[in-house]
Amino acid sequence: DTGVSQNPRHKITKRGQNVTFRCDPISEHNRLYWYRQTLGQGPEFLTYFQNEAQLEKSRLLSDRFSAERPKGSFSTLEIQRTEQGDSAMYLCATAGTFEGELFFGEGSRLTVL
Amino acid sequence: AQKVTQAQTEISVVEKEDVTLDCVYETRDTTYYLFWYKQPPSGELVFLIRRNSFDEQNEISGRYSWNFQKSTSSFNFTITASQVVDSAVYFCALRGNTDKLIFGTGTRLQVFP
Repeated sequence: DTGVSQNPRHKITKRGQNVTFRCDPISEHNRLYWYRQTLGQGPEFLTYFQNEAQLEKSRLLSDRFSAERPKGSFSTLEIQRTEQGDSAMYLCATAGTFEGELFFGEGSRLTVL
Repeated sequence: AQKVTQAQTEISVVEKEDVTLDCVYETRDTTYYLFWYKQPPSGELVFLIRRNSFDEQNEISGRYSWNFQKSTSSFNFTITASQVVDSAVYFCALRGNTDKLIFGTGTRLQVFP
């Protein structure tokens, strides 16, 4: 499968714990995005990388959130000291060009108890 | 500011009916791109179409058609002869001069046999 891959697909954690999600992009895509989607809402932009450079971060991304994309390949999204409000689907998407469509992974669902 | 409004939260139709999903957008950018995505129950967002702001031609792809009207800032999506497999949440999205897609809140379409 050469699509966008996300792991883990589901994560249940207790409040206060740290979690990390991984995204493996389509290999030739240099643009990588993280979005968050809560029930009944559209995806909300969190952050964006072009190659290894993080070019934009949403104000939704508090200090507890950090994202990396070492070597411009896979990306990780870490949430520290999770809160119940962090419960959501975290979506990764990649694109080959500015004009191109985003290809989304299946998402990583986080449940914070 | 950029905004996408999908006023229809949920639509229910019977198979073979035609259905139109509305999308109204706001942007001050002169160059922008509009998208439609489908999110089936499995959860993965699937790209359907991309339109740039300079191309107002309507497009038809099988049972799907799109009507882009800059004068009313609308990009509506019509499914002809709907089928049960069309049941999903459909999102309209906008990209202006920045790299991020702004999504609407989605329209849930239920097609009953």
